[in-house]
Amino acid sequence: DSGVTQTPKHLITATGQRVTLRCSPRSGDLSVYWYQQSLDQGLQFLIQYYNGEERAKGNILERFSAQQFPDLHSELNLSSLELGDSALYFCASSRTGGVGTGELFFGEGSRLTVL
Amino acid sequence: AQSVTQLGSHVSVSEGALVLLRCNYSSSVPPYLFWYVQYPNQGLQLLLKYTSAATLVKGINGFEAEFKKSETSFHLTKPSAHMSDAAEYFCAVSDRSGTYKYIFGTGTRLKVLA
Repeated sequence: DSGVTQTPKHLITATGQRVTLRCSPRSGDLSVYWYQQSLDQGLQFLIQYYNGEERAKGNILERFSAQQFPDLHSELNLSSLELGDSALYFCASSRTGGVGTGELFFGEGSRLTVL
Repeated sequence: AQSVTQLGSHVSVSEGALVLLRCNYSSSVPPYLFWYVQYPNQGLQLLLKYTSAATLVKGINGFEAEFKKSETSFHLTKPSAHMSDAAEYFCAVSDRSGTYKYIFGTGTRLKVLA
């Protein structure tokens, strides 16, 4: 158990809909990362937050947004869903948010299926 | 921009044989490098990391990796494969230039044959 909690574990929805994925980092970790894992594109970095502020942005679509709340949990919002958004979405946390020597601790992922 | 390339999306070895998973990085400054393992239906977990101390890094489950600056490589090895090593392995890079990004390779799925 990594200590990172992601909900829901599985989600099935239709094209055009909006979903919210939630992540609770390990106790004491200030930084949260979001990744998308799909068969054809591997593990893609989406966005990172540190102590409530956006720290780095990767290949995140404009239809997607995220935030980190004062209690340090994070939410990833996916809107106007397309079939191609079907993937496993991982959240990871780390103690620091700076230049990273630190380990990332991953949740078990949220599997999104868009029909 | 930093990146990592993993050669071979699938690798098969016999039980007891040497495991060699290849990773090459591209970075403007010497990066921090990591290997993670993902077992089925689980998140990734750290195997080992290089942070500019010793170039030969030992990790969990008998794995090790050697940082070779001249070859821009960080290959993962294990002398003797075990059936329980079957998983997907990811190389990752985190640079020192302040962009804070933590970039993963495309992964190598290791199959261990009895």
